[in-house]
Amino acid sequence: KAGVTQTPRYLIKTRGQQVTLSCSPISGHRSVSWYQQTPGQGLQFLFEYFSETQRNKGNFPGRFSGRQFSNSRSEMNVSTLELGDSALYLCASSLEGRGGGYTFGSGTRLTVV
Amino acid sequence: DQQVKQNSPSLSVQEGRISILNCDYTNSMFDYFLWYKKYPAEGPTFLISISSIKDKNEDGRFTVFLNKSAKHLSLHIVPSQPGDSAVYFCAARGNSGGSNYKLTFGKGTLLTVNP
Repeated sequence: KAGVTQTPRYLIKTRGQQVTLSCSPISGHRSVSWYQQTPGQGLQFLFEYFSETQRNKGNFPGRFSGRQFSNSRSEMNVSTLELGDSALYLCASSLEGRGGGYTFGSGTRLTVV
Repeated sequence: DQQVKQNSPSLSVQEGRISILNCDYTNSMFDYFLWYKKYPAEGPTFLISISSIKDKNEDGRFTVFLNKSAKHLSLHIVPSQPGDSAVYFCAARGNSGGSNYKLTFGKGTLLTVNP
């Protein structure tokens, strides 16, 4: 059974650009969540999608957005990148999204220069 | 406001001894707690969880204890092995509305098990 796949693994972008990250959940999982990990703040919740609907959103500016497709794959987008957006972005999938059954991908390491 | 706190950034123990990782929380609406383990360049891996209606859950070498009145939980690893060296995250889930669908994480504790 394939795990959660995140692409790309590494990304370098310039301030002001935008970026799109992709997450393919485990087959059959309908919930996809996104988290940002930074050394100072740990893992912080960005948003959660279930059946193409956003059910919860963390305290991040509107530059951070996401969506989920009918096949449960999800993308997150960050516009007008800032240096502080440099982080590891983690995607997690689960059957129903109630926390206990989350499986995380290996993440996308975004560096903004 | 940090609702889940892991006050020890690092912990070092000898192989074969007990490792105790601690976690405190402030939100009484949390009803489910989880521990994740993370190696560098990998995503967090689920270890063990506990519902707020229990005070202990055991799985092999890993035991999680919950003290609701103190809003404190701990993860015990016995015996500790060098392969346990990783960052351990405590996480909590709410019990209503949108908080059902998110985990609030602590900042992690780096465990080093010395041979």
